[in-house]
Amino acid sequence: GQQVQQSPTSLVLQEGENAELQCNFSTSLNSMQWFYQRPGGSLISVFYNPSGTKQSGRLTSTTVIKERRSSLHISSSQITDSGTYLCAMRVTGGNNKLTFGQGTVLSVIP
Amino acid sequence: AQTIHQWPVAEIKAVGSPLSLGCTIKGKSSPNLYWYWQATGGTLQQLFYSITVGQVESVVQLNLSASRPKDDQFILSTEKLLLSHSGFYLCAWSLGGSSYEQYFGPGTRLTVL
Repeated sequence: GQQVQQSPTSLVLQEGENAELQCNFSTSLNSMQWFYQRPGGSLISVFYNPSGTKQSGRLTSTTVIKERRSSLHISSSQITDSGTYLCAMRVTGGNNKLTFGQGTVLSVIP
Repeated sequence: AQTIHQWPVAEIKAVGSPLSLGCTIKGKSSPNLYWYWQATGGTLQQLFYSITVGQVESVVQLNLSASRPKDDQFILSTEKLLLSHSGFYLCAWSLGGSSYEQYFGPGTRLTVL
C-alpha cells in the first residue's frame, strides 16, 4: 500500500493566504525531505527535516517522528510559490531509498 | 560548489531502440548517486543507487540497468526501450556516511514512440 500520503492533492490560494501541506507515513521513518518540483520537472530541496521544526523565510517544516507525520507551512503565499510540493521519506535500514508522496499541486492566484 | 549535470535534456526514441542517459557530479568526491523515474502524472520512484565506483544496487527493475564507471558519473541504460519507459528521469546525489539529504539534477525527459 501507499507508504506516503500527502494532503491535500491540490490547493488554490489567493496571494497572501497561508497554506498547510501534510505528509503522513505508514511506516517508521528515519528521515524525511520536502521538495518543490518546478513545472519543467526538476526538484529543489526545500527542507531536510528528520525531526522537529525548521524555518526558512516564509516556509516552516515540522516533523513528528513518533506520529509519523510532517507538515510544510507556507505563510503569506506568493504567485511564485505555485508548483508541486513533494515529501519523501527514508526508512530505517532502507538503503538510502527515498519513497515519495504523490505531491500537492499549489496554485496561488492574484 | 557542487553541480550536477544530466544529458541529454530530452530524447525521443523508438520502441526497441537502445538508450543511454548520463549524470555527472562536479565538486564532490565519492558521493552517493541515485536514479529516479517519474511517469507522466505519476509518483517519483527510485530505480538505482550507488555508493562507490563499480557498485550499483537495483531498487526497481523496469528493464533498465545502471553503471558507475567513474566516481563522478552515473549511467542509466537499456538495450531495448519499451513504451512504458517514457517519463522523466532524475539523477540525485547525497554525501556519504550518515548524511541522507539528496540533491537533484535537472532531469531528462524521455518519450518512447
